[in-house]
Amino acid sequence: GENVEQHPSTLSVQEGDSAVIKCTYSDSASNYFPWYKQELGKRPQLIIDIRSNVGEKKDQRIAVTLNKTAKHFSLHITETQPEDSAVYFCAASIDNYGQNFVFGPGTRLSVLP
Amino acid sequence: DVKVTQSSRYLVKRTGEKVFLECVQDMDHENMFWYRQDPGLGLRLIYFSYDVKMKEKGDIPEGYSVSREKKERFSLILESASTNQTSMYLCASSRDGWGTEAFFGQGTRLTVV
Repeated sequence: GENVEQHPSTLSVQEGDSAVIKCTYSDSASNYFPWYKQELGKRPQLIIDIRSNVGEKKDQRIAVTLNKTAKHFSLHITETQPEDSAVYFCAASIDNYGQNFVFGPGTRLSVLP
Repeated sequence: DVKVTQSSRYLVKRTGEKVFLECVQDMDHENMFWYRQDPGLGLRLIYFSYDVKMKEKGDIPEGYSVSREKKERFSLILESASTNQTSMYLCASSRDGWGTEAFFGQGTRLTVV
């Protein structure tokens, strides 16, 4: 079955710097890759996603890149702000409908003022 | 605004008790999911349902069962609670369609003593 690894497990950056979180997946059939952000004490929320027919997607300060050949995808946050501090989860779909996922273990991002 | 509501925020139960965790969504979503969240392990799928009275096992179904008698409600049942089921439980729902966003509940922190 699908296995999703995520690195690093914790990441601290200075406010204004960039942050990069990397995930790898094992099943080449996976075709949809969402990223969820979970602030302390709150529910996970979708922040960006990418489909396998796209190499990169950007939404303001966040972007996701996908390398299907190498089976890895990354989340990039530029100009980090304190409100970016959260746990970020990557996920890879395990069905043909993009409805069911395996999640990575999460990355705790701390943005230091 | 999508609302996924879990019946309890915190629960303390005794070993061997039968435990019911309830989840209700108000957006007429077809798909509902139960995850457990443990530090360093991310979100792991317990059970999911794509329709009323339909259920499928996820990655870690042992010791759990589910019920979906109505479209808006998805219940997770711990038949005989054990201490290793102490965890955060998250319910999610999504509408039918490829790659649709999963909306999460606020979570139930269950402690089994």
